[in-house]
Amino acid sequence: RKEVEQDPGPFNVPEGATVAFNCTYSNSASQSFFWYRQDCRKEPKLLMSVYSSGNEDGRFTAQLNRASQYISLLIRDSKLSDSATYLCVATNDYKLSFGAGTTVTVRA
Amino acid sequence: DTGVSQNPRHKITKRGQNVTFRCDPISEHNRLYWYRQTLGQGPEFLTYFQNEAQLEKSRLLSDRFSAERPKGSFSTLEIQRTEQGDSAMYLCASSGGRGGGDEQFFGPGTRLTVL
Repeated sequence: RKEVEQDPGPFNVPEGATVAFNCTYSNSASQSFFWYRQDCRKEPKLLMSVYSSGNEDGRFTAQLNRASQYISLLIRDSKLSDSATYLCVATNDYKLSFGAGTTVTVRA
Repeated sequence: DTGVSQNPRHKITKRGQNVTFRCDPISEHNRLYWYRQTLGQGPEFLTYFQNEAQLEKSRLLSDRFSAERPKGSFSTLEIQRTEQGDSAMYLCASSGGRGGGDEQFFGPGTRLTVL
């Protein structure tokens, strides 16, 4: 079983829509959680950290539920530039465990 | 550009050949990581260094793979006797040290194709 499982999508949404997706992690000892964004054939880049209290960064909201070992990401008012693969990450010490990614395509 | 750099960006080789990749981390970072990513998957951890010490190696890193970071700065990843299953993107990341935190910054990757 993979350490981090994600809904692969794809999510195909119109501009301005809200899209939400989630992932689950299996290692209860995981300490930190992140969402990374990866554009086609590019390197992953950190989108935001995820905290138990939930956190927002502009149009992006991330939630962590440690009891259910569940992480979510919500994107409001989608822009064309949000089209990418979103990678869910759990850490154990310094090692990042990535999900396979959720593909989001925002159409005009 | 003072980000993580990797060379070469692309490598095509024949099965059985040896290949070596180089990673130059962000200069003040003392931790360096190697990951491998295949199509449709997220990056998978291979190994990491704190300064020149290799502190952890994944079971994915078979005996044909070796990584070094001789002076605690750049790192090399060598694959001996390449196999078609080694075809992937090899990503390097760095973090930590003076002025750095836990965020891992990734380089652009080396795309390996084994024919």
